[in-house]
Amino acid sequence: EAGVAQSPRYKIIEKRQSVAFWCNPISGHATLYWYQQILGQGPKLLIQFQNNGVVDDSQLPKDRFSAERLKGVDSTLKIQPAKLEDSAVYLCASSNRDRGVEETQYFGPGTRLLVL
Amino acid sequence: SQQGEEDPQALSIQEGENATMNCSYKTSINNLQWYRQNSGRGLVHLILIRSNEREKHSGRLRVTLDTSKKSSSLLITASRAADTASYFCATVGRGSNYKLTFGKGTLLTVNP
Repeated sequence: EAGVAQSPRYKIIEKRQSVAFWCNPISGHATLYWYQQILGQGPKLLIQFQNNGVVDDSQLPKDRFSAERLKGVDSTLKIQPAKLEDSAVYLCASSNRDRGVEETQYFGPGTRLLVL
Repeated sequence: SQQGEEDPQALSIQEGENATMNCSYKTSINNLQWYRQNSGRGLVHLILIRSNEREKHSGRLRVTLDTSKKSSSLLITASRAADTASYFCATVGRGSNYKLTFGKGTLLTVNP
């Protein structure tokens, strides 16, 4: 079974530029998550999708971050304009909640963003 | 905000020794999960323990949960150099739509 795919793996931009990340979840997984992991901390959930609907985006800085999952499969996360404090690893995860109450989230390799 | 807080922040042991990491959390949970993260394999799910369970085993891993103290521990027995990684506890709060809230992690170094 193919894992969660993310691209690009690394990105360096200057502050005030825009950037987009792409995620393709495991086939058949209805739930998709985007996390931000700042160096030395644990991942923080930014947004959770169930199919193409948003379940939780309470921690997404909506003035600069946006995410979509138009066809309920792959997803993009965009930052516009980027700030220095957005430097982090952006992780995408997916799960199949239909298999039961407890669910395991499968994580992609992440995109490491550096904002200069 | 981070829900779980791991202790210690860093741990260094010799191969063959046991490693114990602790996690404390603040609110009622549905379940608690432990994840491992290293540069080679990214973030990987290790084990899940439900709020009505007290102990769970998986291979060389043993997890305990004390809901009265809002704490959990992860024991890795007979550690190997390949166990070197950061270990995170993550909680799923009651009524949270299965949202995972991670702690800051424990960096484990196993010296050969």
